[in-house]
Amino acid sequence: AQTVTQSQPEMSVQEAETVTLSCTYDTSESDYYLFWYKQPPSRQMILVIRQEAYKQQNATENRFSVNFQKAAKSFSLKISDSQLGDAAMYFCAYRRPYTGNQFYFGTGTSLTVIP
Amino acid sequence: SQTIHQWPATLVQPVGSPLSLECTVEGTSNPNLYWYRQAAGRGLQLLFYSVGIGQISSEVPQNLSASRPQDRQFILSSKKLLLSDSGFYLCAWSVADRVSYEQYFGPGTRLTVT
Repeated sequence: AQTVTQSQPEMSVQEAETVTLSCTYDTSESDYYLFWYKQPPSRQMILVIRQEAYKQQNATENRFSVNFQKAAKSFSLKISDSQLGDAAMYFCAYRRPYTGNQFYFGTGTSLTVIP
Repeated sequence: SQTIHQWPATLVQPVGSPLSLECTVEGTSNPNLYWYRQAAGRGLQLLFYSVGIGQISSEVPQNLSASRPQDRQFILSSKKLLLSDSGFYLCAWSVADRVSYEQYFGPGTRLTVT
C-alpha cells in the first residue's frame, strides 16, 4: 500500500504570517492525485486543495498553495496570511486513480494559529 | 446536491457487544463508499471500500466487517467489540469514475468501547 508521511505532528504560526506543512509519499505509479484536507475541531473533513500528478503547475486556492515536487515525491501546503479559522488538523492524502479510488492519508499536522 | 449521513453521532458500547454503524448518501447514484477509523491523535485508516452493491474490499483484517445492502447505504459492523475498536469512524463517498476528484466525508461517529 502507498504510504503518506507528515513529519510535523504540530506546527504553529502567528496570525497573518505564512506557514508551510510538509508531506511526502511513496508510490511506484505515475498517475495519481494528491490532496490536503482540513479537520477543524468539529471533526468535519474539508477539502483544501488538490493536485493532479500529471500537472506541473502547482495548485492554488486563494491563500492556500502547494509545492508539488514529483521527482522528490513531496507535496507541501503553504498557507499565507494565516487566520484564526485556519487552526485545525491538516491531512495530506494520496489517491490511486483505479477502481475503488482508494485514498491513503498521512497522520496529520495540528496547526495552531497564534493571535 | 449530495449529502452524506452517519448515525449515530456518538456511541458508548461495552466490550463484547455488537456494533452497527450506518452511512447513507443522497443525491448521487453508484458512488464509491469508504469506511475510515481515526484513533485519537492519529490519521485516517482506511478500513473498507465498496464500488457497488455487495462488493466490499477490506484494507485491514480485523474483527470489523462492512456491507452494502443498497446502492447508497454502507454499514460497518462487529459481532464483538474490542477496546481497541474505540475511535472516530468516518464514512465517505466519491464519484465512481477515473476523473473524479475528492472524497466527501460524513460527520462521523465517535465510538467508545468500555
